Amino acid sequence: EIVLTQSPATLSLSPGERATLSCRASQSVSSFLVWYQQKPGQAPRLLIYDASNRATGIPARFSGSGSGTDFTLTISSLEPEDFAVYYCQQRSNWPPTFGQGTRLEIK
Amino acid sequence: QVQLVQSGAEVKKPGASVKVSCKASGNTFTDYYMHWVRQAPGQGLEWMGWINPNSGGTNYAQNFQGRVTMTRDTSISTAYMELSRLRSDDTAVYYCARVVTTVNLYYFDYWGQGTLVTVSS
Repeated sequence: EIVLTQSPATLSLSPGERATLSCRASQSVSSFLVWYQQKPGQAPRLLIYDASNRATGIPARFSGSGSGTDFTLTISSLEPEDFAVYYCQQRSNWPPTFGQGTRLEIK
Repeated sequence: QVQLVQSGAEVKKPGASVKVSCKASGNTFTDYYMHWVRQAPGQGLEWMGWINPNSGGTNYAQNFQGRVTMTRDTSISTAYMELSRLRSDDTAVYYCARVVTTVNLYYFDYWGQGTLVTVSS
């Protein structure tokens, strides 16, 4: 199965700063890479699908890029509500797999 | 709007079984594959499998084959996930999650609120 490695494990930033989160796949997943946001006690929320497409209702400050094995989620200017855990997921190969998550915390 | 409402928390002994329900509303239940994903305390997400609510067809992750059964009752728009021979490392929050479109594209826009299953002697 495809292993997704997210980095960094924890990212400490201040509101207004730019966040760059990485997800690397153990083999190519083409563009079939998805990003979710999860806050404590809540279910994951779909942010980005197929590497760069924002899901319905997701603010424009969230963007995704990449293809093949290297992907990036960028939050252009952090809002207080953006501090959460972010997971990537590949849907290219069965079984679908998730990364271990990046915790975005307030500095 | 679409809602997935899951059953309440469960405490089970090792070796027992648990059955979690997921009731869908706000869409045509049989149009969207339903997946199950679990999350151990403080850990990441683990995909368990899916059920096609229309046909009842299923597909399970290898880690769970032989222990998991996914079913549905279309008359009440509810999907079920039963996990047997529970172990302590099955302690987790279990989520149902609906695929985004009527094609099973393996990513999810609506999630249940989660059901905590605790396995302890």
